[in-house]
Amino acid sequence: VELVESGGGVVRPGGSLRLSCATSGFRFNYYGMHWVRQTPGNDKGLEWVAFAHYDGTHNYYEDSVNGRFTISRDNSKSTVYLQMDSLRPEDTAVYYCAKDRYGSGTTFDYWGQGTLVAVSS
Amino acid sequence: QSALTQPRSVSASPGQSVTISCSGTSSDVGAYNYVAWYRQYPDKAPKLLIFDVNLRPSGVPDRFSGSKSGNTASLTISGLQAEDEADYYCTSFAGRYSWIFGGGTRLTVL
Repeated sequence: VELVESGGGVVRPGGSLRLSCATSGFRFNYYGMHWVRQTPGNDKGLEWVAFAHYDGTHNYYEDSVNGRFTISRDNSKSTVYLQMDSLRPEDTAVYYCAKDRYGSGTTFDYWGQGTLVAVSS
Repeated sequence: QSALTQPRSVSASPGQSVTISCSGTSSDVGAYNYVAWYRQYPDKAPKLLIFDVNLRPSGVPDRFSGSKSGNTASLTISGLQAEDEADYYCTSFAGRYSWIFGGGTRLTVL
């Protein structure tokens, strides 16, 4: 199982970024997929951000990103995306994609290496 | 929701056992058996150690065990080794398709 994130970078407040997570080694269309973020520095808390059902028909978001972030998936490319709009400084974090153990959402089992998003003026 | 409560740090000597607690509420840890534990080395991705409260993925040594009582879950590491020095995080399904993490515990092997 391999998950590889890309698309992170530095962006100004109010800007947008699109993260991608290319996967391999498992039947992508069988499993739910998550985005989880981790704030940098000494207080490295983990925070769940978004979840997409195995078939992409149902998506769910943490309250602070709901309406600003959109998770999507392309099962033909085994890739999950996170479109991030109206970015705020508090969105600065390392963003990980993570595979769920099942299709409908239980626990994250495999994680990518992460991609850093920095929101700063 | 507030984060699950973990001790900021724990320490023990090689060969000893250590238990890390993860305190939640009746809406998360106490309500569901989707409690998991992860180990994270600096600048690395978290790795799954325990899922569904007390199950180990293949390849995780049986030195790692999980349990739950009421609203509190626990991770026990027995036969501590130097390589166990890392950050440990718990997580729980919190209903309405949301997940919550603990603040993390730094394990120091003396």
